[in-house]
Amino acid sequence: DIQMTQSPSTLSASVGDRVTITCRASQTIGNWLAWYQQKPGKVPNLLIYKASSLESGVPSRFSGSGFGTEFTLTISSLQPDDFATYYCQQLQGTFGQGTKVEIK
Amino acid sequence: QVTLRESGPALVKPTQTLTLTCTFSGFSLSTSGMCVSWIRQPPGKALEWLALIDWDDHKYYTTSLKTRLTISKDTSKNQVVLRMTNMDPADTASYYCTRIRAQGMVTFGGVIVPGLLGVDVWGQGTTVTVSS
Repeated sequence: DIQMTQSPSTLSASVGDRVTITCRASQTIGNWLAWYQQKPGKVPNLLIYKASSLESGVPSRFSGSGFGTEFTLTISSLQPDDFATYYCQQLQGTFGQGTKVEIK
Repeated sequence: QVTLRESGPALVKPTQTLTLTCTFSGFSLSTSGMCVSWIRQPPGKALEWLALIDWDDHKYYTTSLKTRLTISKDTSKNQVVLRMTNMDPADTASYYCTRIRAQGMVTFGGVIVPGLLGVDVWGQGTTVTVSS
């Protein structure tokens, strides 16, 4: 299986900060990558698909980029509702280990 | 409205076989681009993708569990069934049935797979505990 490695594992940030999370694939996956947000006790919510396409209803402060083996999820201005855990997923299904965004 | 609902035992003993059923509505698994996948999450841990079945009845499994998993569908009943053999306490988790959209098929590393666009609908999940 293709392995997905996210960094950092934990990120401390303040409201209004620009936040970037990285996901690296063990082999090239083109742009076949999705990003999710999960809050405690809830199912994940799809944010981004095909590396950079914003899912309907997701705020525009979320954006994705990348191709091949390195991808990023950026939150342009962190909001109180954004403190959560974020996961990437590649096209064969494998998830990254998650990045927890905490209040600084 | 698309919904998925998991059903199955809450408690299984080690070495037993787990059978989970996903009953869905609001879409057809025979429609091109539609897939159903099973994903699990142990308490406090990361998401783990298990298996996927697509609109053309192709089946895909995570390599580490491939020998223990079987996914199947009954299109007429709008159901997908996951079987996992030889259950272990390490398999204790919430198990989710999910819908994944795909954008056709893509060739990836010499293998043809669905071009997954991501899970857009999740079931509520079912908690499975493995204990004697």
